[in-house]
Amino acid sequence: GAVVSQHPSRVICKSGTSVKIECRSLDFQATTMFWYRQFPKQSLMLMATSNEGSKATYEQGVEKDKFLINHASLTLSTLTVTSAHPEDSSFYICSAESITTNEKLFFGSGTQLSVL
Amino acid sequence: GESVGLHLPTLSVQEGDNSIINCAYSNSASDYFIWYKQESGKGPQFIIDIRSNMDKRQGQRVTVLLNKTVKHLSLQIAATQPGDSAVYFCAENWRGSTLGRLYFGRGTQLTVWP
Repeated sequence: GAVVSQHPSRVICKSGTSVKIECRSLDFQATTMFWYRQFPKQSLMLMATSNEGSKATYEQGVEKDKFLINHASLTLSTLTVTSAHPEDSSFYICSAESITTNEKLFFGSGTQLSVL
Repeated sequence: GESVGLHLPTLSVQEGDNSIINCAYSNSASDYFIWYKQESGKGPQFIIDIRSNMDKRQGQRVTVLLNKTVKHLSLQIAATQPGDSAVYFCAENWRGSTLGRLYFGRGTQLTVWP
């Protein structure tokens, strides 16, 4: 079945560094991908909608200069957390909306970011 | 029983019992709803969905009920099994919005005791 691959699954970085998370749709094309953030014991919070070939649309309160999103192809979106700080430590999850399969929406397995 | 506090609401049931997980959604313009199961350290897993033109939808061992009047959604799991232990989220999609743009509810931690 269709799969969304997220990489890395876990990353630890020092405060002030930038971290890139990749979200790939395997075996299907996705013009639209979504990025969520989830703090421990809390719900998923939609951060932004990533559109292939255009700028991402950010939810209210999400800093676009802090969370850079690039969606350069129909199978890849990246989220870069710039100048990461401990409060950015969270579980980041992407999802992809398929245009080539009957089932339309797939979630990645998430990336646990820990900023020291 | 169910408890709600500062953290994730929890529901504890015995294996074989039926579970009912509730969710209140926020936007009366939402017209598509999905229930997800999330195990620790993993992404959400689709369980069942329902559109706003329906009141009830059944899957394998699961039933979703939608009450638009009070903006309430419930997930019923029949003959709950230990493998059902996870956090369950409802998610809503606003009318006119792209499918994947979802707003998630608070979540409920389901624990199934053998």
